[in-house]
Amino acid sequence: EIVMTQSPASLSVSPEERVTLSCRASQSVSDHLAWYQHKPGQSPRLLIYGASTRATDTPVRFSGSGSGTEFTLTISRLQSEDFAVYYCLQYKNWPPRYTFGQGTKLEIK
Amino acid sequence: EVQLVESGGGFVQPGRSLRLSCTTSGFTFGDYSMGWFRQAPGKGLEWVGFIRSKTYGETTEIAASVEGRFTISRDDSKNIAYLQMDSLKIEDTAIYYCSRHATPATGTHIWGLGTLVTVSS
Repeated sequence: EIVMTQSPASLSVSPEERVTLSCRASQSVSDHLAWYQHKPGQSPRLLIYGASTRATDTPVRFSGSGSGTEFTLTISRLQSEDFAVYYCLQYKNWPPRYTFGQGTKLEIK
Repeated sequence: EVQLVESGGGFVQPGRSLRLSCTTSGFTFGDYSMGWFRQAPGKGLEWVGFIRSKTYGETTEIAASVEGRFTISRDDSKNIAYLQMDSLKIEDTAIYYCSRHATPATGTHIWGLGTLVTVSS
């Protein structure tokens, strides 16, 4: 099983700040990496797929980068609606055995 | 508008069974693979499995943690995907979500709001 490790586990930041979240894979997943935003009581929302491609309706302040085993999600200027838990997901395995990171919780400072 | 609504969750004793439904609308259900995910209380997201479309034989993939106990099926005439959960364990307690598409590879990955399954004696 590919283990996905996110850091930090939580982060306290102020609106308008720039933040970078990390996700590391235990073995290469190429660019088969996605980022999701999850708020309480809502369904997870796809932000980034293919490591760096924004999904439809994803604001441009969200950007993804990386390949292989190291990935980052950057939010250039945090807005109030961005405070949530963020998960990375690898979907490279064959046979399919997809795995998420444990999540990074963004909190308002 | 694409909609996915999970149902069938509830309280069940260990060792019993439960079948979840994912009722969909707003798209041609038969053209899509359908995925299942879960989130245990206070934990992160976990992939459960998916079923391919009829074009790909309606074959399924299941996570090791539930293999042999959970099965996924679909009824294209009703636009519904199912998650049959047998021999339930306390650690299966979670919110269960279904998704259109097995993965986000195409750039869209719409999920439902989930249904809560509580396994307890």
